[in-house]
Amino acid sequence: KNEVEQSPQNLTAQEGEFITINCSYSVGISALHWLQQHPGGGIVSLFMLSSGKKKHGRLIATINIQEKHSSLHITASHPRDSAVYICAVPPPYNTDKLIFGTGTRLQVFP
Amino acid sequence: NAGVTQTPKFQVLKTGQSMTLQCAQDMNHEYMSWYRQDPGMGLRLIHYSVGAGITDQGEVPNGYNVSRSTTEDFPLRLLSAAPSQTSVYFCASSYGVPNSGANVLTFGAGSRLTVL
Repeated sequence: KNEVEQSPQNLTAQEGEFITINCSYSVGISALHWLQQHPGGGIVSLFMLSSGKKKHGRLIATINIQEKHSSLHITASHPRDSAVYICAVPPPYNTDKLIFGTGTRLQVFP
Repeated sequence: NAGVTQTPKFQVLKTGQSMTLQCAQDMNHEYMSWYRQDPGMGLRLIHYSVGAGITDQGEVPNGYNVSRSTTEDFPLRLLSAAPSQTSVYFCASSYGVPNSGANVLTFGAGSRLTVL
């Protein structure tokens, strides 16, 4: 079993739809990262959170430490949100490192 | 601030050749790291550094060397390139290690390496 699993792997949506991407992990963690990778390849860090919820514009990230689960929500999705969304966690055996999920590819159509 | 600068963006090597991927950051970040990204797989950590003079291995260190003589620079060396090292490489930095405080990672633009 992978230590970090994301679902779905691929997601298509119409502009304006509410999007949810899920991340489950099997190790105890102190923080979780959400990253965005656009088709051009650049990677941008969206959130780092260790509890509760964080919001930035139309993006909302939540985490439930007890259930080992995090979600990334996009409200009023737009074609420019089309990207790969990646979650990552530092494993408890070495918190200097990150373990990455394989990503969720989102396409938003006008 | 330029952020994290990686060079080159593209490189083609023949098996057995050596090369260095350069990574520089101007944010005074202590933590720097190198990842490779392969189709169908998540980013995998090659090497990382928690400060000048300190480096450590990640998940996939074989075939790669690093050094951290200054806070700003963290070059990745391929001593004898192999086709299995064909990948996209990303350098990243942050103020501290990934589990602490609000230490989000800043990534370079990536370097696409092909080994023939």
